[in-house]
Amino acid sequence: AQSVTQPDIHITVSEGASLELRCNYSYGATPYLFWYVQSPGQGLQLLLKYFSGDTLVQGIKGFEAEFKRSQSSFNLRKPSVHWSDAAEYFCAVGVYNTDKLIFGTGTRLQVFP
Amino acid sequence: DTGVSQDPRHKITKRGQNVTFRCDPISEHNRLYWYRQTLGQGPEFLTYFQNEAQLEKSRLLSDRFSAERPKGSFSTLEIQRTEQGDSAMYLCASSLISGGQQETQYFGPGTRLLVL
Repeated sequence: AQSVTQPDIHITVSEGASLELRCNYSYGATPYLFWYVQSPGQGLQLLLKYFSGDTLVQGIKGFEAEFKRSQSSFNLRKPSVHWSDAAEYFCAVGVYNTDKLIFGTGTRLQVFP
Repeated sequence: DTGVSQDPRHKITKRGQNVTFRCDPISEHNRLYWYRQTLGQGPEFLTYFQNEAQLEKSRLLSDRFSAERPKGSFSTLEIQRTEQGDSAMYLCASSLISGGQQETQYFGPGTRLLVL
């Protein structure tokens, strides 16, 4: 069965520090992978996606993610975090044909000045 | 492109009452999805439509839940005889499918339901 694991429930970083949020997936074929961000009380905004091709994908707000098939991972990174990045981050895998998304449980990011 | 909109944004109801939520997708998007998100969890898939056809329903969607997309545009999600366990954020998303390729889903702001 398809699943997504985000091992870190809560991460705290200082503003200006680098960030890496972990995501591992279980899927029987080449996955479609997504990172979404959710601010309090808001819907989900797409940060970036991987469908095929270059395994390092660039997204909005300076985020990037790398698809590593051998590790079944799709970790999100940002070189320098801003206070406005504080939010909940969700990794998701898209199921072929239906395109429904299976989400991880999320990682809450806190940023300290 | 005005984005996906949902109405109402918040709903408080008493146990046993019926509630209905509306989702307006991005115009010309042919797929529409409903998800449910409880506190501290990621969104969980409920159902989806391609045009007006409902193509899949999750086992999470009990008989008390029904969704429609009568003209292939907006959609409604109705919950009958609400229970406290129905309290959650209900998210709608839409996408444009062409050529069978996975496409990005765009999410609305959600409807937060509280059942007392």
